[in-house]
Amino acid sequence: AQKITQTQPGMFVQEKEAVTLDCTYDTSDQSYGLFWYKQPSSGEMIFLIYQGSYDEQNATEGRYSLNFQKARKSANLVISASQLGDSAMYFCAMDNGGYNKLIFGAGTRLAVHP
Amino acid sequence: EAQVTQNPRYLITVTGKKLTVTCSQNMNHEYMSWYRQDPGLGLRQIYYSMNVEVTDKGDVPEGYKVSRKEKRNFPLILESPSPNQTSLYFCASSNDGTGYNEQFFGPGTRLTVL
Repeated sequence: AQKITQTQPGMFVQEKEAVTLDCTYDTSDQSYGLFWYKQPSSGEMIFLIYQGSYDEQNATEGRYSLNFQKARKSANLVISASQLGDSAMYFCAMDNGGYNKLIFGAGTRLAVHP
Repeated sequence: EAQVTQNPRYLITVTGKKLTVTCSQNMNHEYMSWYRQDPGLGLRQIYYSMNVEVTDKGDVPEGYKVSRKEKRNFPLILESPSPNQTSLYFCASSNDGTGYNEQFFGPGTRLTVL
């Protein structure tokens, strides 16, 4: 069965430094997509970045990049130059055969310190 | 503005009192889902819909009902709420069921069942 594992319940980082949030996944499908979402304390889910299983290059969106290692089944999120506003819960997710379904990890709470 | 709206945003109710959480999207999306978020578990899919009058169970459908009579609306119904349904609920929509497109999430509904 498909599964997403986020092994870091909490992380902290100094402002302006880079941080990596870990995500490993398990699937027997050859075609799948991986997503990262940010959830600030206000509760909404904010889409950050997407990586398709057939994409050869790592996805990047501004300060966010996804370190995709297919053989290791990992899809780590890298946030460069952390800002105080990056403090939030971060979820890794994988689509599961379509039909608008995402499988989520348990999340990592990131705290950015000044 | 493209958005998914949910109402109410906050609800406190008592065991057994039927309630409905509404969800509406203005993007003409075919696919819609309901998720619940619980600490340590991430988000889990309750029900999804591929189009009008087409719905199916997700991973945790027990105690919930849905309907899709119009493309834009996808209400979540709790016929007899119980305390274990206390959770944060999200409605989501997307234009493509393959998962390769971004899912748009509503702002969330925080439900407490006493």
